[in-house]
Amino acid sequence: DTGVSQDPRHKITKRGQNVTFRCDPISEHNRLYWYRQTLGQGPEFLTYFQNEAQLEKSRLLSDRFSAERPKGSFSTLEIQRTEQGDSAMYLCASSLAHSFAYEQYFGPGTRLTVT
Amino acid sequence: GQSLEQPSEVTAVEGAIVQINCTYQTSGFYGLSWYQQHDGGAPTFLSYNALDGLEETGRFSSFLSRSDSYGYLLLQELQMKDSASYFCAVLMDSNYQLIWGAGTKLIIKP
Repeated sequence: DTGVSQDPRHKITKRGQNVTFRCDPISEHNRLYWYRQTLGQGPEFLTYFQNEAQLEKSRLLSDRFSAERPKGSFSTLEIQRTEQGDSAMYLCASSLAHSFAYEQYFGPGTRLTVT
Repeated sequence: GQSLEQPSEVTAVEGAIVQINCTYQTSGFYGLSWYQQHDGGAPTFLSYNALDGLEETGRFSSFLSRSDSYGYLLLQELQMKDSASYFCAVLMDSNYQLIWGAGTKLIIKP
């Protein structure tokens, strides 16, 4: 297994445009997480999936953000009508099961710049 | 709510020992994790303390004291490659979610 992968690695978009990111977790992991990280801060939880079910979404997440994990494999995170404040690194992680949620494997991230 | 506090920056000398502290306020959690993140890289898992006491993994050790709401990461025989940010994170018992500290930037001087 090659680990968690994310695509694209970098995305520059204009304010108001929609963007979509993809994450491919480690194949045997049933938990998948999305985080946002800005410079000098720890990862900020956005949402997570147990298989294909989205179990929780951060209260800080506006309705412009949506995530899916069809068939419990890869996941997509979409941001609609992007704002400059959305500029950040978006990290995806996976873990074997809820009992192993303390050990998460991260992808390289997608750096979003909104101009 | 939950919060974790770490020093923003720690400086140490190559070959020395350094301790990175983490204090927390949380209602209920399973344990404390530590992650390392190099500049431009992704966080990587280092260790996890489910119980009070010391866990040792090579040059790195981690400690947890629930009575003191405190934990630390101990790095021994520091190498230049250990220059990175280190994050503590608690695993919440309500939803198995990690809540992260803001991280400690470790600067190592030759």
